[in-house]
Amino acid sequence: SAVISQKPSRDICQRGTSLTIQCQVDSQVTMMFWYRQQPGQSLTLIATANQGSEATYESGFVIDKFPISRPNLTFSTLTVSNMSPEDSSIYLCSATSGFYNEQFFGPGTRLTVL
Amino acid sequence: DAKTTQPTSMDCAEGRAANLPCNHSTISGNEYVYWYRQIHSQGPQYIIHGLKNNETNEMASLIITEDRKSSTLILPHATLRDTAVYYCIVSPYNNNDMRFGAGTRLTVKP
Repeated sequence: SAVISQKPSRDICQRGTSLTIQCQVDSQVTMMFWYRQQPGQSLTLIATANQGSEATYESGFVIDKFPISRPNLTFSTLTVSNMSPEDSSIYLCSATSGFYNEQFFGPGTRLTVL
Repeated sequence: DAKTTQPTSMDCAEGRAANLPCNHSTISGNEYVYWYRQIHSQGPQYIIHGLKNNETNEMASLIITEDRKSSTLILPHATLRDTAVYYCIVSPYNNNDMRFGAGTRLTVKP
C-alpha cells in the first residue's frame, strides 16, 4: 500500500491570496488525483495529476484557479489561487497503488479562507 | 455524478453485523464495485472491491447480486471504531474515475 502525506495539514488564509498544497507518496505511482471536500459534503474530483504533462481537470474546475504540478512519480502540488471564502474546504490527494489498483488517500489539508 | 444510491444513515449495535446496501443499476460490464470509508477528519480508506463474485478480506465481505445491480457490504462484527461514512463506488478497474456519492453514515452504538 502507498502512504501519502500532505502539507500543510491546515491553514487559514486571507481572501485574494494563494496556497500551494504538497502531496508526497512513499513509492512511485502512476496515477495521482486531487479532490475537494466541502464542509459536510462528499468528495469531488478536481483533476488527475499527470506526470510530465498538464493535469486533466473535471468539469467546473480550471487550471487558472487550481494549477497542478506533477514533476515526478511520487510528488504533486495543488495551488488554490485567488482564494475566496467559498474555497474553504478539505483538499485531498490520492494515488492508485497496490495489487488491486486501489486508491490511497492522504489525510487532507483543511483550508479556511477569511 | 455518482452512479450509486445508498441510504443516508444506518445504526448498528456493537458486536453485531453491519449490512450496508448499495444500488448500482446502471453499472457497466467493465466496472467494479469499490467500497471506501471515511472516519471523521481522515482521508477515505479502501475496504474491498469486486466484479461479480462475492469477496471477503480481513475487513469485510462484499456480496454482489447476480445481475450486478446491487451489492451489500458486510462488517461481520461491528465495533465503535467502524463508525464512519461508507462510500460505494463503481469504477473501471484502472480506477481513475472515482465518483463519490453521499455515502452512508454508519453509527455503531454500544
